Amino acid sequence: DVKVTQSSRYLVKRTGEKVFLECVQDMDHENMFWYRQDPGLGLRLIYFSYDVKMKEKGDIPEGYSVSREKKERFSLILESASTNQTSMYLCASTLQGSYSNQPQHFGDGTRLSIL
Amino acid sequence: AQKVTQAQTEISVVEKEDVTLDCVYETRDTTYYLFWYKQPPSGELVFLIRRNSFDEQNEISGRYSWNFQKSTSSFNFTITASQVVDSAVYFCALSEAPGSARQLTFGSGTQLTVLP
Repeated sequence: DVKVTQSSRYLVKRTGEKVFLECVQDMDHENMFWYRQDPGLGLRLIYFSYDVKMKEKGDIPEGYSVSREKKERFSLILESASTNQTSMYLCASTLQGSYSNQPQHFGDGTRLSIL
Repeated sequence: AQKVTQAQTEISVVEKEDVTLDCVYETRDTTYYLFWYKQPPSGELVFLIRRNSFDEQNEISGRYSWNFQKSTSSFNFTITASQVVDSAVYFCALSEAPGSARQLTFGSGTQLTVLP
């Protein structure tokens, strides 16, 4: 089975801090994704990566950046955390090719609170 | 632009009842894919089913069944004889033909609570 591991289940940070959320997958998937999940809004795509060092903006990239230095690892960075970034963050991965018809495999999520 | 609507925010049923979760979608593409995911309290989204736009056959997997109707742009999910372990948030999602990842769109989710 695919395993997508997010480094923290719960994280509390302060406004203005630089925050790193880490995600690792063990199935050699080319594509990795970061979403945020908020009540009543479902999942919204922040960033996506289809290869090492490659990235693409999703629907809500403002205030975030990403890093993909190794195939198995995809990091989400909050350059200067703000309270409106308090949310659940979910990482996912999937196979290369026509990825829109491949199921994405998700991690357990990181519940981030910005004080 | 594509859109997925799950009008039912919360549903409560008593164990052994049948329950249907509604999903209505909008897309301009003729080729697209529909998904259902389950999110139990642990947080991880679990893939349940994928359906492409050319396959309107209904599918049954154990107590789960899916009804895909292109005429009404709906992809509804029915749980038969519900169990407490079915309690979770269920998401319907849509992706269009291969292209940008931003084309994967989730509905807002339906919180299902199954009472013993």
